[in-house]
Amino acid sequence: ETGVTQTPRHLVMGMTNKKSLKCEQHLGHNAMYWYKQSAKKPLELMFVYSLEERVENNSVPSRFSPECPNSSHLFLHLHTLQPEDSALYLCASSQDMSGTGFGYTFGSGTRLTVV
Amino acid sequence: RKEVEQDPGPFNVPEGATVAFNCTYSNSASQSFFWYRQDCRKEPKLLMSVYSSGNEDGRFTAQLNRASQYISLLIRDSKLSDSATYLCVVFSSGGSYIPTFGRGTSLIVHP
Repeated sequence: ETGVTQTPRHLVMGMTNKKSLKCEQHLGHNAMYWYKQSAKKPLELMFVYSLEERVENNSVPSRFSPECPNSSHLFLHLHTLQPEDSALYLCASSQDMSGTGFGYTFGSGTRLTVV
Repeated sequence: RKEVEQDPGPFNVPEGATVAFNCTYSNSASQSFFWYRQDCRKEPKLLMSVYSSGNEDGRFTAQLNRASQYISLLIRDSKLSDSATYLCVVFSSGGSYIPTFGRGTSLIVHP
């Protein structure tokens, strides 16, 4: 149990489907993140929320839509994805955005395959 | 030049060996540094923070060299269970602290 729970663990979806990834943290952290991890590439930051407000959006295509209803929950809504969007999507949380302390806690990730 | 660079490896070493990885960063304003470990098909997990004075945790030693802009991780007496990918993470200031991840260094410890 990492303290950050992601569901589902695996997802296969067609390019015309709409699905959502869910992340929940039980650590009392104030910042939450979505990352994409593709094979042989570094983790790519997608979205950052601090105290439920979006702080950073790294030019992510609009087919990815985040939602942060409260400081414990983070969603990533997916629609009309492309095969190159297949990757491991990781949620993370941190106490704040100071970059100090104990860094991030990651969820186990959702392995997404777009067919 | 990439912001955070790591040799992807793999580093293939026998049990009991000492192995060291480096990670270079390009932003001189970088503030905080961490090493994460990621097992195959699992999420990254914090291994240790890296301080200017260096820090040690059992068989693991992390060092920061600000002048040359690199951090290092030394693993002594390697175990089979040390086999994983080791990610370097650098936080830089500039409005908000957003980390940059290296692509990771793969370590394989064999019997």
